Amino acid sequence: LAKTTQPISMDSYEGQEVNITCSHNNIATNDYITWYQQFPSQGPRFIIQGYKTKVTNEVASLFIPADRKSSTLSLPRVSLSDTAVYYCLVGPYSGGGADGLTFGKGTHLIIQP
Amino acid sequence: EAQVTQNPRYLITVTGKKLTVTCSQNMNHEYMSWYRQDPGLGLRQIYYSMNVEVTDKGDVPEGYKVSRKEKRNFPLILESPSPNQTSLYFCASSLLLGLASYEQYFGPGTRLTVT
Repeated sequence: LAKTTQPISMDSYEGQEVNITCSHNNIATNDYITWYQQFPSQGPRFIIQGYKTKVTNEVASLFIPADRKSSTLSLPRVSLSDTAVYYCLVGPYSGGGADGLTFGKGTHLIIQP
Repeated sequence: EAQVTQNPRYLITVTGKKLTVTCSQNMNHEYMSWYRQDPGLGLRQIYYSMNVEVTDKGDVPEGYKVSRKEKRNFPLILESPSPNQTSLYFCASSLLLGLASYEQYFGPGTRLTVT
């Protein structure tokens, strides 16, 4: 199981770019990296997924260095509504248990005015 | 509208009284999963299914059962609920790319209290 380590919490201000880094030293060759966002009492929402280099969509960018042992979720020009918990997941399989996707505790991002 | 639905959204029950939480998706997804979320513990996977009649244990399967008789439905069964199963439960589904899951779509959650 490719375990992940991400900061428990982060603070930033409206209009700033926020970067959340996730470490996954034991990532396997066929693992993907996926990020989710969760608001209180709601189910997580998919943000972005990547395998290597850089992926960008309308919401965020995901930077993955060549060794793939870490990844960085970049949120451009955050607003108060970006206050949420962000989860980094690493895995090749859809299943849980020893080989599957584990959400962990995530990073609680707080955006201030 | 593409969605994952769960019922009920809120449930208060007593220890030992069997209950079922239903989950249904309308996206023809192969993969479905159940998670529980507890304060300070994040999301933990209970069971998952990669297709009809194929289910497997997640990280915390004890005290739960599931079935996948149809592609769209994946009910979670608590045969004899206990207070330590008080939690917020989420169902999710996704397409499969080989063995890798693409983005998971989550239901609105079921808040269960067992007294």
